[in-house]
Amino acid sequence: NAGVTQTPKFRILKIGQSMTLQCTQDMNHNYMYWYRQDPGMGLKLIYYSVGAGITDKGEVPNGYNVSRSTTEDFPLRLELAAPSQTSVYFCASSQGQGAEKLFFGSGTQLSVL
Amino acid sequence: GENVEQHPSTLSVQEGDSAVIKCTYSDSASNYFPWYKQELGKGPQLIIDIRSNVGEKKDQRIAVTLNKTAKHFSLHITETQPEDSAVYFCAASNSNTNAGKSTFGDGTTLTVKP
Repeated sequence: NAGVTQTPKFRILKIGQSMTLQCTQDMNHNYMYWYRQDPGMGLKLIYYSVGAGITDKGEVPNGYNVSRSTTEDFPLRLELAAPSQTSVYFCASSQGQGAEKLFFGSGTQLSVL
Repeated sequence: GENVEQHPSTLSVQEGDSAVIKCTYSDSASNYFPWYKQELGKGPQLIIDIRSNVGEKKDQRIAVTLNKTAKHFSLHITETQPEDSAVYFCAASNSNTNAGKSTFGDGTTLTVKP
């Protein structure tokens, strides 16, 4: 059972480039989330989804976009990358509402130079 | 919105001692309080959680207590071992809404010295 799988693990982008962070889960969870973690800080919610076809903004959505065409996949798109988007990105999923019992992926470390 | 404060930011204990990490929250509607452990290079992993209708919950060497009146909750680790060294995060959310948002504290780096 793979759980939540994120790719890539590491990526370096130049300012202005775009990329998609992939996230897939095999637990048939309805709820999926994208968080970013800056050094020494907690996790900040970027976007979340309560089911296929439904997404909503979290605390820090600017500069990002998401889609949820299937239950399994929840990709995060960065358009026009900026140095402020240098961070570690975590995808998570849960079965219950209210972000209960989150299962996290292993993260994507992104540097924008 | 919800605000979660976590203390201390770093904690160093001797192997076998106890460790306590405290969090406060601001939104009285929050009713679900999980604790996550993050080892170096990995994603956070749920270690214990508590709901607002319970005052204390234990799982082997780990316990969580909740004081709804004071809006604070704590993680207690007894008989600490070197493998307990990690970053611990508390969080708060309202599981009665469909919003699915969880607010995290800034984390506590626990070091257990052998």
